[in-house]
Amino acid sequence: IAGITQAPTSQILAAGRRMTLRCTQDMRHNAMYWYRQDLGLGLRLIHYSNTAGTTGKGEVPDGYSVSRANTDDFPLTLASAVPSQTSVYFCASSDSETAEQFFGPGTRLTVL
Amino acid sequence: GQNIDQPTEMTATEGAIVQINCTYQTSGFNGLFWYQQHAGEAPTFLSYNVLDGLEEKGRFSSFLSRSKGYSYLLLKELQMKDSASYLCAALSNDYKLSFGAGTTVTVRA
Repeated sequence: IAGITQAPTSQILAAGRRMTLRCTQDMRHNAMYWYRQDLGLGLRLIHYSNTAGTTGKGEVPDGYSVSRANTDDFPLTLASAVPSQTSVYFCASSDSETAEQFFGPGTRLTVL
Repeated sequence: GQNIDQPTEMTATEGAIVQINCTYQTSGFNGLFWYQQHAGEAPTFLSYNVLDGLEEKGRFSSFLSRSKGYSYLLLKELQMKDSASYLCAALSNDYKLSFGAGTTVTVRA
């Protein structure tokens, strides 16, 4: 692995289903983030983690949960997907809170 | 809340210069980032300003005025590959990045 990866690349999901988006980085970065990007709204922070074992809420956390069991992985779970969660989801990581963030390739999620 | 404003679209000719302005209002301030995002791809880091002034990096420069809550990204000697969306993002006191909606720059031959 080089950098930060996300899976799946894209997914179509029925409303009400549970879904976990995966994110893995191999840069040993302390901080990791989940954003969603919607047309005309830009990137909005969902959840973040400053270090393994800790997580925090961003601007739009409702309907999403995260965990950070180790440094490398930061999965995002939609417990019961709704159509308004249709979006492109980007995971990012950074060495510190003030450092540049490196973004994964994104997951395009469609909830029907 | 956070408020980041930047123009929606700009068009320029190959070889020209374009300046993308960004104004911000955040809960405290820990720096201003610019990212480039090509269609269908992930954002990539361009610049970071935390002190007032101009930072130059090749064809790209970024300026910050903290007292005015203002930044700009200057793209010189435009190339076709510079056609992309440019995202302004402010880092608040609690170290969360707030992004503008992005400025789509189209470079024409």
